[in-house]
Amino acid sequence: GAGVSQSPSNKVTEKGKDVELRCDPISGHTALYWYRQSLGQGLEFLIYFQGNSAPDKSGLPSDRFSAERTGGSVSTLTIQRTQQEDSAVYLCASSLAWATSGTYEQYFGPGTRLTVT
Amino acid sequence: AQSVTQLGSHVSVSEGALVLLRCNYSSSVPPYLFWYVQYPNQGLQLLLKYTSAATLVKGINGFEAEFKKSETSFHLTKPSAHMSDAAEYFCAVSSNFGNEKLTFGTGTRLTIIP
Repeated sequence: GAGVSQSPSNKVTEKGKDVELRCDPISGHTALYWYRQSLGQGLEFLIYFQGNSAPDKSGLPSDRFSAERTGGSVSTLTIQRTQQEDSAVYLCASSLAWATSGTYEQYFGPGTRLTVT
Repeated sequence: AQSVTQLGSHVSVSEGALVLLRCNYSSSVPPYLFWYVQYPNQGLQLLLKYTSAATLVKGINGFEAEFKKSETSFHLTKPSAHMSDAAEYFCAVSSNFGNEKLTFGTGTRLTIIP
């Protein structure tokens, strides 16, 4: 079946511009996660959605970062007024609800490589 | 708070030799532990997971890991390395409270010498 998809795969933007990154989770997965992978910071958690609500957004680095999820499916991560330190690969993952699956496995998308010039 | 430490950012082994990638964890609650592999320009793929059942966990591609509570370790091994094992490997931890964020180690890049 289809896995987690992310778009665009690559994004180059100028400093100060806003960007939107999209994640399509696996159908039926109620949990969705955003992570960031950068050379300096490794793999960092950003935000977690259960359905359309975000019970844990503790990893968002600043108020320039926001995310939403609609219809319990697609999620968009928005970065406003991008800075060079925002350059990274942004990874999305999804999983089934714990109560449904009795297990815990996150499936990752291929990521969006963001370069801020 | 939870954390993982991966010893060795780069590991090189000869083809056919034993692969050993080290991971130690810190957790105030019983942890769930994972190993993920990342091939160049790809996302993360789950190799195996420990979720408080058997302490010796077998995963895909011939990899296995043993959970040792006394040593707070979850090292990844493979008896015989293959060229296709060259990739970056990440150890991760989460709490056992259901859907929770993963906390990753810094990764180990595995190189296979022909």
